[in-house]
Amino acid sequence: DSGVTQTPKHLITATGQRVTLRCSPRSGDLSVYWYQQSLDQGLQFLIHYYNGEERAKGNILERFSAQQFPDLHSELNLSSLELGDSALYFCASRGGGFGELFFGEGSRLTVL
Amino acid sequence: DQQVKQNSPSLSVQEGRISILNCDYTNSMFDYFLWYKKYPAEGPTFLISISSIKDKNEDGRFTVFLNKSAKHLSLHIVPSQPGDSAVYFCAASESYGGATNKLIFGTGTLLAVQP
Repeated sequence: DSGVTQTPKHLITATGQRVTLRCSPRSGDLSVYWYQQSLDQGLQFLIHYYNGEERAKGNILERFSAQQFPDLHSELNLSSLELGDSALYFCASRGGGFGELFFGEGSRLTVL
Repeated sequence: DQQVKQNSPSLSVQEGRISILNCDYTNSMFDYFLWYKKYPAEGPTFLISISSIKDKNEDGRFTVFLNKSAKHLSLHIVPSQPGDSAVYFCAASESYGGATNKLIFGTGTLLAVQP
């Protein structure tokens, strides 16, 4: 158990819809990272938040947004969903500014 | 632009033998490298890391080798066990990469250890 909690584990929705994925980092970790894993792809970095502030953006679509709340949990919002958005979405956290990331079990999104 | 590459999608080895997983990177600013293991329906778990000031790091059956001039690293598992069967991801980071220090991942190698 990494200590990182993601909900929901599975989500099935239709094209054009909007979903919210939630992440609770390990206790005390200030950094939250979001990654997307599509079929046969590696983990693609989406966005990084540190203590409520956005620190870096990666390959995140404009239809996607994220935020980190004062209690340090984070949400990834995906809107106007397309079939190609079907993927595993992972959240990871880190306590310090360096070193390994601790990953949650992921949220599997299926867009039909 | 794939900055971290794992060119072997899969690898099969016999139990007790050595498994060697390879990874190449293109960004010369990377100075911290990690290996993660991922089982189905689970998140990636950290395995071992190496800083660019070293060329080898060992942890039990796992050893990571770094060749900076070739921009290549490898993970050796000796002896391999059936429980090692998983997808292995290589990742890299710039330790002084501004405020983020995000990890850039390869596409993974599926290791199958045959009993």
